[in-house]
Amino acid sequence: GQQVMQIPQYQHVQEGEDFTTYCNSSTTLSNIQWYKQRPGGHPVFLIQLVKSGEVKKQKRLTFQFGEAKKNSSLHITATQTTDVGTYFCAEGSSYKLIFGSGTRLLVRP
Amino acid sequence: NAGVTQTPKFRVLKTGQSMTLLCAQDMNHEYMYWYRQDPGMGLRLIHYSVGEGTTAKGEVPDGYNVSRLKKQNFLLGLESAAPSQTSVYFCASSWVQETQYFGPGTRLLVL
Repeated sequence: GQQVMQIPQYQHVQEGEDFTTYCNSSTTLSNIQWYKQRPGGHPVFLIQLVKSGEVKKQKRLTFQFGEAKKNSSLHITATQTTDVGTYFCAEGSSYKLIFGSGTRLLVRP
Repeated sequence: NAGVTQTPKFRVLKTGQSMTLLCAQDMNHEYMYWYRQDPGMGLRLIHYSVGEGTTAKGEVPDGYNVSRLKKQNFLLGLESAAPSQTSVYFCASSWVQETQYFGPGTRLLVL
């Protein structure tokens, strides 16, 4: 079945450094959604990408969808301690989402 | 507007016991989902429903049953709990193929 691979599994950065997580698939993705889960919390929707090459920004967060729609990335500029959590990508297919395994971000103050 | 709520928040079961997890949403969403989350494995879909009275299997349905008798409620049942079912269970709801809204989760420990 469809799988989305997410790397890295963990990232530990100094506050102020940038952070990027990548989501890859061997097949074309219909769309990509990104979610954030704070420690002890539940996943919260961040954004959805649908078009090839699409780039969307939310303040310090930049989301990209690859030209071939086989990969996506989330980049955070100048991380803050409030960015701590696990970031998941998910592919929307038919009635359901297939989630990547997530990237856990830790930020040293 | 409470969004998605789950009960209970935490439960301890002995092997072989049964229980039902309740999910309720007040957003009039058609779709509802049950996931389990284990360390390092992300979210795995157990069962889902595309409307009242319908259910379908997800990635990991074995050992679970579900029912959607009312549009706003989605129940997840464990008939005979096993230690492998120790996990955090999340319910979610959405409009057709749109953003999923998650509940706060239920932590289940099976001894």
